[in-house]
Amino acid sequence: EADIYQTPRYLVIGTGKKITLECSQTMGHDKMYWYQQDPGMELHLIHYSYGVNSTEKGDLSSESTVSRIRTEHFPLTLESARPSHTSQYLCASSEPGQESTGELFFGEGSRLTVL
Amino acid sequence: KNQVEQSPQSLIILEGKNCTLQCNYTVSPFSNLRWYKQDTGRGPVSLTIMTFSENTKSNGRYTATLDADTKQSSLHITASQLSDSASYICVVSDRGSTLGRLYFGRGTQLTVWP
Repeated sequence: EADIYQTPRYLVIGTGKKITLECSQTMGHDKMYWYQQDPGMELHLIHYSYGVNSTEKGDLSSESTVSRIRTEHFPLTLESARPSHTSQYLCASSEPGQESTGELFFGEGSRLTVL
Repeated sequence: KNQVEQSPQSLIILEGKNCTLQCNYTVSPFSNLRWYKQDTGRGPVSLTIMTFSENTKSNGRYTATLDADTKQSSLHITASQLSDSASYICVVSDRGSTLGRLYFGRGTQLTVWP
């Protein structure tokens, strides 16, 4: 079982609120990712990090931001949530080695609902 | 355009029956293909990873096949159980960049009835 944890699992907030989704892994992986997933749709990469102080935007434009101050921690922040941000957010990390062949471990996800 | 298409979109089978899920892709150059199982409200869990040279890989009652020439993969589930009810996602990786991008299918929603 993967040692990658996300909190909160479920969050319902009002428009305009600032929220932070937490993601932590205890596997010592340098590479971490945030994906967004809507029902019946494919996962879309919104942010990734190759290590401490490294963050990049993914394929899907997102108003969220991320930080990577510690290897094990990769939080995602929305400064002002809107209903369009309602989605499932999945955090993942991958094993060292080739990006394309490393095993990808996912957290349980954070289901965000913005009213 | 690199794409991953899965079929069927949804499938209902009776407990104990076998089923096969399909994945067609246009990703090039190809690196590997993965199958994930995602239970409702949970994160995806890896079932298999196959590289170009692998035709078949098994994980318990799950058997994945890969035909890199026709760019098709299948996931066969034997003697289905109620716990197999989940979304099965096909993911293809390219090797054309240092990022090694992952291309996700939309998944096949499998429901196993008693």
